[in-house]
This record gives sequence, structure tokens and C-alpha cells, in this order.
Amino acid sequence: GAGVSQSPSNKVTEKGKDVELRCDPISGHTALYWYRQSLGQGLEFLIYFQGNSAPDKSGLPSDRFSAERTGGSVSTLTIQRTQQEDSAVYLCASSLVGAAQHFGDGTRLSIL
Amino acid sequence: QKEVEQDPGPLSVPEGAIVSLNCTYSNSAFQYFMWYRQYSRKGPELLMYTYSSGNKEDGRFTAQVDKSSKYISLFIRDSQPSDSATYLCAMILGGTSYGKLTFGQGTILTVHP
Repeated sequence: GAGVSQSPSNKVTEKGKDVELRCDPISGHTALYWYRQSLGQGLEFLIYFQGNSAPDKSGLPSDRFSAERTGGSVSTLTIQRTQQEDSAVYLCASSLVGAAQHFGDGTRLSIL
Repeated sequence: QKEVEQDPGPLSVPEGAIVSLNCTYSNSAFQYFMWYRQYSRKGPELLMYTYSSGNKEDGRFTAQVDKSSKYISLFIRDSQPSDSATYLCAMILGGTSYGKLTFGQGTILTVHP
């Protein structure tokens, strides 16, 4: 596609439920990133993929958070047993190696 | 202390003004520097991407990097109401140009007609 595509654009769920967020990177981009943006914390790095492997997972806040990437393309970020503090906008970015990152419009997650 | 400091503003200027946005950073290992613009309910949009100290110009935008002072700037000339957005500086550590971005808090800019 022309840009990074994320789905759903909005997600409302109850505390304790699991959620899956999807990212379709720009075609041909080998690197894929997940970030989280919240009012108090700004934009924070979560995880980075190069191809299907994740050399940097240092930003994942707890073991309730996991991510995978298949076929060097689509990625899914999963949050298990959601908590209210997980409410945020989850942003995905992709890039060619050695180039700048381009962002999608994010998934706005609200935990009730 | 945050690794990247950015004045959140808000900053309000009249149309046509020159805008100066700034970030300071504490870790001299940051090597690659970016400026993003973010409109409400949208993802960050890349404006400028620089590596070396000095100036880089693209249309009405000029990015300036001073590694010795650990200070980066974005200048917007002839500002327009459509420039009203949040501006985020971002940077990458180390010898590779990919990897996690560390962001400033963002500066909210309003350009009024």
C-alpha cells in the first residue's frame, strides 16, 4: 500500500480482555516498529523487527505484551489481560534499512 | 532528567512569522536526528532527517544540528495556518541509522491568520 496501515483505528474493551492490534507496513520495508503514545509519557518505543526477528524488545512494558511478524510483512501486537494503564494510541512505523521511519495513524485503545 | 528535552509550548504565532523549535539531548551517542509533524488524531509525519552537524533545508523548513552543544532546531519560514500541529524531535543512538527512536515531548504550534 501507499502508507503504513493499522487496524482497528479504534478499540474499546473491558479490563482483563485480550486485544490484538495489526500493522501492515509499506511494501518492501524490512524494518517495523511499534510505539505507544500517551498524554503523560509521550511517544515511547516498544519493539523493533528486522524481517521476522525482533532484535530489540526493550520497550515492552510487561510480559502481557507480545508481538510477532510473519512473512516479513504484517505484524500483530497482542496485549493480554488488559489494564486501564494500557489505554493509549499504539503506533506502527516501517522503514527501509538505514532510512527514516514512516508512521501509520495508530490504533486508539481504550480500556474500560 | 529525560534523554531528550523539548519545550511543550504551546507556541502561538501570526501567519507569516518565522518559527523556531528546539530540542536538547543529554547523550552524545545520538547520531541521527529527525523532525516529525503530527496533526490531531494522525500519526507523526516525517519532515526532516539529518545526520551531520550543520543545516539542511527543504522548502520552508530548515533543520539545524549542533552536536557539540547537543542541540537541534527546526525553523519554519513564512508559517501558514496549515502548519498548526505538534512538532516532535526524535533521534537514534549509535552507529546504525535504524533502531528505536527517542522522542521529545513535542511542541504544540498554532499559526493564526
